[in-house]
Amino acid sequence: AQTVTQSQPEMSVQEAETVTLSCTYDTSESNYYLFWYKQPPSRQMILVIRQEAYKQQNATENRFSVNFQKAAKSFSLKISDSQLGDTAMYFCAFMSAGANNLFFGTGTRLTVIP
Amino acid sequence: DTGVSQDPRHKITKRGQNVTFRCDPISEHNRLYWYRQTLGQGPEFLTYFQNEAQLEKSRLLSDRFSAERPKGSFSTLEIQRTEQGDSAMYLCASSLSGQGKGYTFGSGTRLTVV
Repeated sequence: AQTVTQSQPEMSVQEAETVTLSCTYDTSESNYYLFWYKQPPSRQMILVIRQEAYKQQNATENRFSVNFQKAAKSFSLKISDSQLGDTAMYFCAFMSAGANNLFFGTGTRLTVIP
Repeated sequence: DTGVSQDPRHKITKRGQNVTFRCDPISEHNRLYWYRQTLGQGPEFLTYFQNEAQLEKSRLLSDRFSAERPKGSFSTLEIQRTEQGDSAMYLCASSLSGQGKGYTFGSGTRLTVV
């Protein structure tokens, strides 16, 4: 079974600074997908970024980028130039290739301090 | 298209009562998912539909839970004989077919069983 671990229950960052959220996962599969989702206080989950395991290049979406280390089974999220609107719960998630369900970590609560 | 809609947003019910939640996915999405999220945890997979067919059910989905997606459009999730342990946020998501597609989530239905 796949497991996703987020070891930082809470983090804070000053506005305009950079923060990195950690995620590790356990799988015996070689092909899979990894995601970061953001859940603001309004509770709707929003997809932040997606990584395909067979691609070595790290995904980037504007201020959000990942550091994907396949051998280490690590998938961290870097948020640059943090904004107040980045305050939210962030969930790391795993999906096997050929499967249809996501496995989520327990989340990291990020607070951006003005 | 206004995204994934869930109704109601909140539901308070007495133990032993039946409740039904509705999810309207993005119209062109043929896949629909139900997840449950308890406080401090990431979402957990319950079940998934491709069009009108329910293709996968989690062991979390006890026989008191039933989900339908008639005509492959909206979906309902019914919980019979509710228990206090059913108190959670119930999230619906939809996606297109294809490997590794990210989901679009609704805002969820928060169920409180008293």
